[in-house]
Amino acid sequence: NAGVTQTPKFQVLKTGQSMTLQCAQDMNHNSMYWYRQDPGMGLRLIYYSASEGTTDKGEVPNGYNVSRLNKREFSLRLESAAPSQTSVYFCASSPGLGLTGELFFGEGSRLTVL
Amino acid sequence: QKEVEQNSGPLSVPEGAIASLNCTYSDRGSQSFFWYRQYSGKSPELIMSIYSNGDKEDGRFTAQLNKASQYVSLLIRDSQPSDSATYLCAVAGGTSYGKLTFGQGTILTVHP
Repeated sequence: NAGVTQTPKFQVLKTGQSMTLQCAQDMNHNSMYWYRQDPGMGLRLIYYSASEGTTDKGEVPNGYNVSRLNKREFSLRLESAAPSQTSVYFCASSPGLGLTGELFFGEGSRLTVL
Repeated sequence: QKEVEQNSGPLSVPEGAIASLNCTYSDRGSQSFFWYRQYSGKSPELIMSIYSNGDKEDGRFTAQLNKASQYVSLLIRDSQPSDSATYLCAVAGGTSYGKLTFGQGTILTVHP
């Protein structure tokens, strides 16, 4: 049982390049989330999808786009990467429609933008 | 003022002692409160949830909630070196319905 799987785990980009972080969950969860974690800042919500077919902005959505491809998959795209987007990105899912607070996290994706 | 505030620490306690981790939140309408543990280089994992005022115990962990004071805490009894991690307080509900807001985390070190 894989839980929440993120790819890639590590990525180095140059400023202006684009990339997509992939996330898939096999727990039949309704809601999925993308967070970023920076030192001293805790986890900050970028985008979330309360259910298949819906997406909403979180606390720090600028510079990102998301796609809820189906119930299992939720991708995060950086169209033109900037050094300020250097961070660890976590995808998470939860079983409820909307937030229950019980999040299951992927292992994280470490992104460096030069 | 941050929505969820924690003392970043580090908090250092000897093995066997009680570790006390604190969290305050600004949204009085918040309804659900959680503690996540994150080991260095790993992802967060849920260890406690609490929804009503008072104490909730689970093994060596006790979560305490005081909605009037907008305060939630986590006590770890008989602390072990394996408890050394960052503890993240998270709050849901109120004006942030549909989202979980995290504090910046408290680093706990338990030394033998």
